[in-house]
Parts: sequence; structure tokens; C-alpha cells
Amino acid sequence: QQQVKQSPQSLIVQKGGISIINCAYENTAFDYFPWYQQFPGKGPALLIAIRPDVSEKKEGRFTISFNKSAKQFSLHIMDSQPGDSATYFCAASPGYALNFGKGTSLLVTP
Amino acid sequence: GAGVSQSPSNKVTEKGKDVELRCDPISGHTALYWYRQSLGQGLEFLIYFQGNSAPDKSGLPSDRFSAERTGGSVSTLTIQRTQQEDSAVYLCASSPQAVQETQYFGPGTRLLVL
Repeated sequence: QQQVKQSPQSLIVQKGGISIINCAYENTAFDYFPWYQQFPGKGPALLIAIRPDVSEKKEGRFTISFNKSAKQFSLHIMDSQPGDSATYFCAASPGYALNFGKGTSLLVTP
Repeated sequence: GAGVSQSPSNKVTEKGKDVELRCDPISGHTALYWYRQSLGQGLEFLIYFQGNSAPDKSGLPSDRFSAERTGGSVSTLTIQRTQQEDSAVYLCASSPQAVQETQYFGPGTRLLVL
């Protein structure tokens, strides 16, 4: 079964807006939570990752918020740009194998 | 430096044929992973190598799927007697070691089984 649930499936945001993607998990053995960005025809590329000992991590315009008690984490993209249009995957891992969400297709309109 | 490379980039085959997909990881990376990306299932873990050994084959969907890694480098994923449901993008990733490190993905091999 899907171990990581991701929403929304698709998202349209205006340039300059905030994009928010949410993920939830059940397995408490998960202790590594990366987000990957994928452009058409390319493999996924790591965007940002967090471990459960912190509640938030920020890198440039990208922020992960993590709620361990609720078993939820989210990606915020501030000042979204058309170049951010891509598919975003959250993932969770207890060690090496990544369990991916089903992805969110983000479109940032000019 | 060079990233993860995969070949072929596209493969069209007939149902029942065997196919081999190749992955060249980043030089020096000891961990190697195979994933499958399909429309209905998203990204699924298939197998993980640490060096030449595969401690976790739990994601392989059937005994028609096998993989090997030689010299701690190149890996081959083999699908025997292909079925239409095997059509997907097969992605390879590598990381310097294994646990909770960035996995660097290749561009994938797009497999279409007719």
C-alpha cells in the first residue's frame, strides 16, 4: 500500500505566490524525509531534506515543515517562479529505500 | 563530474522478450538503487545494492525481474518474458554510501512492451 500520501495531485500558482504541498505517513520507523523535483524527461533531483529532530528547514525559497506527532510534513515554495513548474515528490525512508508519494504537478503561471 | 547514466534511454520490445537495462553510477558511489516509475503506481523501490551484494530485493515485483552489479560499479536490471504491465520508466540512483544520503538519479530507461 502507499506508505506516503501526497496532496494535492496538481497545483496552479501565480508567479510570486506560495506553493504548498503536503505529505503524510504512518510508519514511525521513517526518519529521513526528502523532497525531489522532477522535470519532464529527467530523473528526480533532491531539492531539500529533513530529519525528525527538527521541525523546519529552509534553503533559499524552499522550506520543509515537519510535524512528528501528526506524522505530516510539507514543502513550501516561496515567491514561486515559472521555472519551478515541475513535478514534486515527497519521500520517506527508514534507512536506504525511499518510499515516494505519488507526486504533485506544479504549474506556476506568469 | 559525470552523473548517473542509463542505457538505453528508450526500449521498445515485444511481449515475451527479455530486456536488459544498464546503469552506470557515479564513480565511487558504493550504494546503487533501482526504482520503477509508472503512471498508476508512482515511484516504486525495486532493489538496493551495497557494493556487489543486494541486501534488499524486496521490491522486485516478480521472479521475472533480476539484477546484478559487478565490480562495485555497473548494474544490469533484467526483465524476462516481458509483459505489458512492465511498461514504465526504470530509474537508477546511486549514493556515496547507503543510509540517509542523497540519492542521485539517472535519466531513466523508458520501456514500452507491445
